[in-house]
Amino acid sequence: DAKTTQPPSMDCAEGRAANLPCNHSTISGNEYVYWYRQIHSQGPQYIIHGLKNNETNEMASLIITEDRKSSTLILPHATLRDTAVYYCIVRVGNNAGNMLTFGGGTRLMVKP
Amino acid sequence: GAGVSQSPSNKVTEKGKDVELRCDPISGHTALYWYRQSLGQGLEFLIYFQGNSAPDKSGLPSDRFSAERTGGSVSTLTIQRTQQEDSAVYLCASSLALNTEAFFGQGTRLTVV
Repeated sequence: DAKTTQPPSMDCAEGRAANLPCNHSTISGNEYVYWYRQIHSQGPQYIIHGLKNNETNEMASLIITEDRKSSTLILPHATLRDTAVYYCIVRVGNNAGNMLTFGGGTRLMVKP
Repeated sequence: GAGVSQSPSNKVTEKGKDVELRCDPISGHTALYWYRQSLGQGLEFLIYFQGNSAPDKSGLPSDRFSAERTGGSVSTLTIQRTQQEDSAVYLCASSLALNTEAFFGQGTRLTVV
């Protein structure tokens, strides 16, 4: 399994962009990068995923480097409600399917 | 329903008793996953169902843990002879198919006393 490395914590000012990095240097060609977040006492929430192209949805943007060894999740205008633990996950690429292995994540604190 | 539903939301049980945790996935989702999260820890994969295939049980921590999925929909996670170290939040997720995102329920908080 490709493992991911994320900083344990980050701060961001409300209204500013939050850029959360993730390293996945051992990712293989058929593995996707997924981002989830977990707000305190709730189940994980899907944010976005991608293979090699940059992706954008209503929640965030995902920037994947050309060599796919790292990615950045961007929350363009962070709000206090975005305070959560953000997990960068690489999907296990086998025929058994879509099992997700979670690491420690980044605890993002959005401050007023 | 609109999302993954788990019941009960909270369960307190005595050490040595058996417990059953239920998960109702999103309608039409063929894949279903169970995870657990101990206090202050990350998510630990337990078991995975995909369609009618045999489940991937590689994450179950001991033979006291078992899960089934009847009719390709509702799943039940059973923990026999519960121990205090089984105390955790048990999360269920489902996804539409292979290579699609998984959606999580709110979890069942299990406390073994």
